[in-house]
Amino acid sequence: AQTVTQSQPEMSVQEAETVTLSCTYDTSESDYYLFWYKQPPSRQMILVIRQEAYKQQNATENRFSVNFQKAAKSFSLKISDSQLGDAAMYFCAYRTHTGTASKLTFGTGTRLQVTL
Amino acid sequence: DAGITQSPRHKVTETGTPVTLRCHQTENHRYMYWYRQDPGHGLRLIHYSYGVKDTDKGEVSDGYSVSRSKTEDFLLTLESATSSQTSVYFCATETGDIRTAEAFFGQGTRLTVV
Repeated sequence: AQTVTQSQPEMSVQEAETVTLSCTYDTSESDYYLFWYKQPPSRQMILVIRQEAYKQQNATENRFSVNFQKAAKSFSLKISDSQLGDAAMYFCAYRTHTGTASKLTFGTGTRLQVTL
Repeated sequence: DAGITQSPRHKVTETGTPVTLRCHQTENHRYMYWYRQDPGHGLRLIHYSYGVKDTDKGEVSDGYSVSRSKTEDFLLTLESATSSQTSVYFCATETGDIRTAEAFFGQGTRLTVV
């Protein structure tokens, strides 16, 4: 079974600085998707960024980028120019690359605090 | 945003009573899921559906049942609520299109069992 590990329960970053959230996963599959979701205090789950395992190029969405190391099974999220609105719980998630139900597997989350 | 509505948004119930949570979607998505979120555990899959009347168990299915009689509705039932089922419950949907592979989430239901 796939597992997703987020080893940083809490992180803190100053406004305008850069922070990296870590995620590792375990799978025997060669093709899959990885995601970072953001959950602000409103509880809404918001997709931040997605990476397809067969793509070597790291995904980027504005201030958010990933460092995908397939061999190491590592998928970290870098937030540049941090803003107060980035404060939230961040979840790393794994999905198989098949046409069947995805059954997303989530990590335990990292709570990000953004300070002035 | 995908039209996913969970009801109720908050509920307090007594131990031993049955509880049904509803997830309603207007997107005609094929797949629907129920997760629970607990501190230190992230989101864990309870049950999922891959079509009308087609459901299967997730990793924490004990004490829960589901039904999907229409594409748009996915019901989660706690047959006899226990305090360990106090949690925040999320419904999610997916189109089934592997090219997009994005799950859309409802706003969650906070359930307290006393």
